[in-house]
Amino acid sequence: DIQMTQSPSTLSASVGDRVTITCRASQSVSTWLAWYQQKPGKAPKLLIYKASNLESGVPSRFSGSGSGTEFTLTISSLQPDDFATYYCQQYNSYFFTFGPGTKVDIK
Amino acid sequence: QVQLQESGPGLVKPSETLSLTCTVSGDSIRSSYWSWIRQPPGKGLEWIGYVHYSGDTNNNPSLKSRVTISTDTSKSQFSLYLTSVTAADTAVYYCARVRTSYTSGWRFDSWGQGIQVTVSS
Repeated sequence: DIQMTQSPSTLSASVGDRVTITCRASQSVSTWLAWYQQKPGKAPKLLIYKASNLESGVPSRFSGSGSGTEFTLTISSLQPDDFATYYCQQYNSYFFTFGPGTKVDIK
Repeated sequence: QVQLQESGPGLVKPSETLSLTCTVSGDSIRSSYWSWIRQPPGKGLEWIGYVHYSGDTNNNPSLKSRVTISTDTSKSQFSLYLTSVTAADTAVYYCARVRTSYTSGWRFDSWGQGIQVTVSS
């Protein structure tokens, strides 16, 4: 099984900050990695797929990078609507695994 | 625009079978793969399994043989059956569409609002 880790688990930031979240896989997943945003009481929302592709309708301040076992999600200028929990998700050989999540809260 | 809506009992007794249905609108159930994902209280997301109307299915090995996912194309629905439930199966259960692509990978691009299921006697 491929295990996913994320760091940090919690991140305190201010509006306008540049924020970076890291996701690591226990073995290579190539670029088969997606990122989701989840707000309390709501379903997750797809932000990024194939490591760096922005889902339609997602603001361009979100970007993703990486390949193999290490990936990053960057928010270039944090907005009030961005305070949420972020999950990475790998897809490999028809199985899916999510990371444990990174909560971005207000500093 | 695709919409997904979960339905089913909110309370299930231990050792019984959890049964949930997801109704799809705005897209043909034949056009995509469909999946169930759950989230225990205060915890992260766990993929349960996926199904295609052709009969192609796959489940999370951690759930072993307790999971069955099926489709009903006449009703534009797909269903989850989880047997022998325990308190550890208490979670919000989401249904989702799986966008599949050989060039862009598989990801969950549309989600239902989720349904809380509690396992308790």
